[in-house]
Amino acid sequence: DVKVTQSSRYLVKRTGEKVFLECVQDMDHENMFWYRQDPGLGLRLIYFSYDVKMKEKGDIPEGYSVSREKKERFSLILESASTNQTSMYLCASSNRGLNTEAFFGQGTRLTVV
Amino acid sequence: GQQVMQIPQYQHVQEGEDFTTYCNSSTTLSNIQWYKQRPGGHPVFLIQLVKSGEVKKQKRLTFQFGEAKKNIYLHITATQTTDVGTYFCSEKSSGDKLTFGTGTRLAVRP
Repeated sequence: DVKVTQSSRYLVKRTGEKVFLECVQDMDHENMFWYRQDPGLGLRLIYFSYDVKMKEKGDIPEGYSVSREKKERFSLILESASTNQTSMYLCASSNRGLNTEAFFGQGTRLTVV
Repeated sequence: GQQVMQIPQYQHVQEGEDFTTYCNSSTTLSNIQWYKQRPGGHPVFLIQLVKSGEVKKQKRLTFQFGEAKKNIYLHITATQTTDVGTYFCSEKSSGDKLTFGTGTRLAVRP
């Protein structure tokens, strides 16, 4: 079974804190993605990575950065958390190619107070 | 990038009724994937469509890619309570970028 694991299910952080969300996949997938999910807005792509140390901005990268030092791990970083970053964050991975499906982690519900 | 709009945002049906959600884009789409997210769960892949006019079926679910490749449809015949969840269309574009529509949440009254 493909497994995508996010480090936390729930997180509460204070405004201004630096926040790390970690994601690990065990299927040797080249592609990894970070999304945020908000009611009425669906899943919005923050960043994705198609290889180690490679990253591409998604549709809403502002306020976020990412790190991919190893193939299996993709980290999302909030340099200075703000209340408007309170959301559900979903990590996904897939093989390379247009005919491959994405596998998602269970999500991290982040609340910034 | 412009997010693909899905209509409706939410629908509540009586068990046994049909349900349709569709995605609308102002530009042509390619490599469409549908995902389903159960309440409290994460999105799970359902199917992929790549050709204009393509129709695929999975039991009571029918997926269609519009002829002009700007509209995509999911139709569920005779809904059951197990169909509850949020359905997302998505597009896998060049460079393997995967972007999602806004989603349609389906509730089913038993």
